[in-house]
Amino acid sequence: GENVEQHPSTLSVQEGDSAVIKCTYSDSASNYFPWYKQELGKRPQLIIDIRSNVGEKKDQRIAVTLNKTAKHFSLHITETQPEDSAVYFCAAPKRGSNYKLTFGKGTLLTVNP
Amino acid sequence: KAGVTQTPRYLIKTRGQQVTLSCSPISGHRSVSWYQQTPGQGLQFLFEYFSETQRNKGNFPGRFSGRQFSNSRSEMNVSTLELGDSALYLCASSSTGLLDSGANVLTFGAGSRLTVL
Repeated sequence: GENVEQHPSTLSVQEGDSAVIKCTYSDSASNYFPWYKQELGKRPQLIIDIRSNVGEKKDQRIAVTLNKTAKHFSLHITETQPEDSAVYFCAAPKRGSNYKLTFGKGTLLTVNP
Repeated sequence: KAGVTQTPRYLIKTRGQQVTLSCSPISGHRSVSWYQQTPGQGLQFLFEYFSETQRNKGNFPGRFSGRQFSNSRSEMNVSTLELGDSALYLCASSSTGLLDSGANVLTFGAGSRLTVL
């Protein structure tokens, strides 16, 4: 089945710095890679996703890069703000079943004012 | 447009009891997925339904079951509850469930937090 490894498990940055979270996946057939943000006590919310026909996608301060050869993708947050503090999850669909996402274990990002 | 609605939001049960959780997807979405979230295991896939059919199932014991109705609303049931079943149960919907095509994305509900004593 699909395995998704996510690093680091915790990340603390100063406000204004950049944050990078990395994920690797095992199934070379995977072609959809979403990132979810979950604030304390709230539901996971999709913040950005990338499909395998592109290598990078940006949305304001957030970007995701994809390296299909190396089977890894990363979330980049620039000019971090305290409201970026949350748990971030990466995910990838399982081979032969694009109805199911396998999630990484999550990264707790803390942005210190 | 209303989001994904889950009920109840919180519930407490004792070991051996059974529980039923409900999920109403976004209007027009026909695929409903269920995930279990725990601090130790993260988000784990339970099952996915489309047009009242289970298309995929995760690695959970048979005590976990679900169904989907003709209006796309879904329920999941856990029988003979164990302490380890304490978790946040998240429901997510998408239009077709084919996450690698088109604009299909998973949208989560707020979850049902189950505590088993």
